[in-house]
Amino acid sequence: KQEVTQIPAALSVPEGENLVLNCSFTDSAIYNLQWFRQDPGKGLTSLLLIQSSQREQTSGRLNASLDKSSGRSTLYIAASQPGDSATYLCAVRPTGANSKLTFGKGITLSVRP
Amino acid sequence: NAGVTQTPKFQVLKTGQSMTLQCAQDMNHNSMYWYRQDPGMGLRLIYYSASEGTTDKGEVPNGYNVSRLNKREFSLRLESAAPSQTSVYFCATYRDPSGTEAFFGQGTRLTVV
Repeated sequence: KQEVTQIPAALSVPEGENLVLNCSFTDSAIYNLQWFRQDPGKGLTSLLLIQSSQREQTSGRLNASLDKSSGRSTLYIAASQPGDSATYLCAVRPTGANSKLTFGKGITLSVRP
Repeated sequence: NAGVTQTPKFQVLKTGQSMTLQCAQDMNHNSMYWYRQDPGMGLRLIYYSASEGTTDKGEVPNGYNVSRLNKREFSLRLESAAPSQTSVYFCATYRDPSGTEAFFGQGTRLTVV
């Protein structure tokens, strides 16, 4: 059974810092990995999707990498801002017909002004 | 840019009451999913529908029923609500084949008293 782990559960950093959020998964047989952002009381917003054949994806100040063989992904946030404060979740979609996303529990990020 | 629309956004029920959560997508996607999100538990799959006319149980289906009314709509019904069903419910969708991005609704916050 696929398991997705995100450690630590919470992180607090000063504004301007570059930071890395980690995600690990137990089964490397995946179609893709997706990073989401969730603001308090809100839904999930997709940030980046990495296909299993890709190594990384970039969007603005965000860069996500994928190392399928080691079961790891990282989300790099450059020059963090208070507006980046949110919970970040990663999810993997295993291979196989009708496969479903398996989520980590998320990392709650607080960026201090 | 509707995407995935859930109704209602908030609901308070008394134990034993019934209700239906509605989800509609305008993205022409085949697969639709219902998740619940609880503190410390992350997102857990309740039911999913791989295509119109099909539904299957997820990780935590007890106490729920679903209907895939057509390609656009997927509803979740609580026949006799219990306090343990207090949660935030999310509907999600993505197109198959399996390499595509998942999109989420804004959630329904349900309290059962």
